[in-house]
Parts: sequence; structure tokens; C-alpha cells
Amino acid sequence: GDSVTQMEGPVTLSEEAFLTINCTYTATGYPSLFWYVQYPGEGLQLLLKATKADDKGSNKGFEATYRKETTSFHLEKGSVQVSDSAVYFCALSDSGGYQKVTFGTGTKLQVIP
Amino acid sequence: NAGVTQTPKFQVLKTGQSMTLQCAQDMNHNSMYWYRQDPGMGLRLIYYSASEGTTDKGEVPNGYNVSRLNKREFSLRLESAAPSQTSVYFCASSEWIWTGGNTEAFFGQGTRLTVV
Repeated sequence: GDSVTQMEGPVTLSEEAFLTINCTYTATGYPSLFWYVQYPGEGLQLLLKATKADDKGSNKGFEATYRKETTSFHLEKGSVQVSDSAVYFCALSDSGGYQKVTFGTGTKLQVIP
Repeated sequence: NAGVTQTPKFQVLKTGQSMTLQCAQDMNHNSMYWYRQDPGMGLRLIYYSASEGTTDKGEVPNGYNVSRLNKREFSLRLESAAPSQTSVYFCASSEWIWTGGNTEAFFGQGTRLTVV
């Protein structure tokens, strides 16, 4: 079945540091890939997505590139801010009808001033 | 446009009590989900409904039942609450398309449930 594996956290960075959160996936078809963010006390919200190989999703300074050859979708940001402190979830939705969204376990990011 | 609305936001139950968590979406989505989120466990799928009238078990269905009342509403019922069901519950919805699979999922704000 489909699965998503994320690097374990928590990840603690100083403000303006470079961020990478690794995500790899297993899927039977041609999935769409997503990163979601969850701020404290809130639900999840979509951060970015990519629907086919070599696509790059980007939003709010975050980027992730869909790498079919390595089955990866790593999240990056060049300079993190304290306001980026949150839990980040990698997810996929496989092709074909009625396929549910599968989530990774989440990576907590803490950015310190 | 409200998106996904969950009620209640907070609830405390005694062991053995029952309750129903309500979820409604106004985006005309076919797919709806119930997840629970526990510290260090990420999101775990409880039940999934691909369309009105259909439901499927997820990873952790034991102790729960669901009803897809219509296209908008998907409720989660705890028949006899246990302390192990203390968690934050999220409802979500998404749309499926034939060639591209589901679009992104939209989430409610969550229900924080404590069973004592």
C-alpha cells in the first residue's frame, strides 16, 4: 500500500538557518504530493503541492521538488523565521479513483531567535 | 465559505459514555475522512468515505462508527468511550478526479476529546 516516511523531529534551528525536512514515499500509481503545516492549536493547512514528476511546489519561501527517481519530496527553506515554528506533514494522494490521502507522521520544527 | 466545520471543539467524557462528533463541508467534495492525532503518532486514519453511502475502515477503526449522512456530513461516533480514545480528532474532505487522484485535503479545526 501507499506510505510516506518523514524524518523524525523535533528539528531545532536558529532564525535565518537553512531548513530541509526529508520525505520519501511509496505508491503504486502516479501520486500527487503535498506538504501540510499545522500551527499550534490549529488544523492542517496546505503549504504546497506537486502533481507530477519534476514539478516544484512553492509557497511562503518553502519549496519541494517531486523526484520520481528517488521517490522523494523534500521540503526546503533558505532562511527560517520564528513564525515558521510548526509541525510539517508530507502526504500523497495516489492516482486512480477513490484513493485516500496518506500522511507521514509529521516533523516538528522549532525556530529560536 | 466555511470549508470544513467540526463540532464540538472540546469535550470531556467519562469512561463508558457515548458521543457523536459532527463534521460538515460546503465544498461539494466526495471524499471525507476522520483522523486522530496523538503526540508522536502523527495522523492516523480512523474511517474514510469515498462518496455518499460508502465508508471504509482506516488504520484504527476499533471503538468507532461512522455515518455518511449525505454528501456534506460525516459523523464519528464513540459508543463507549475509553481513556485510550483521548486525542485530537480531525475531519477532512477532498475531491477525487479520474485522472489525477484526490486534490488536497481540507481540514477542520479539530475536536479535543478527553476521556476520564
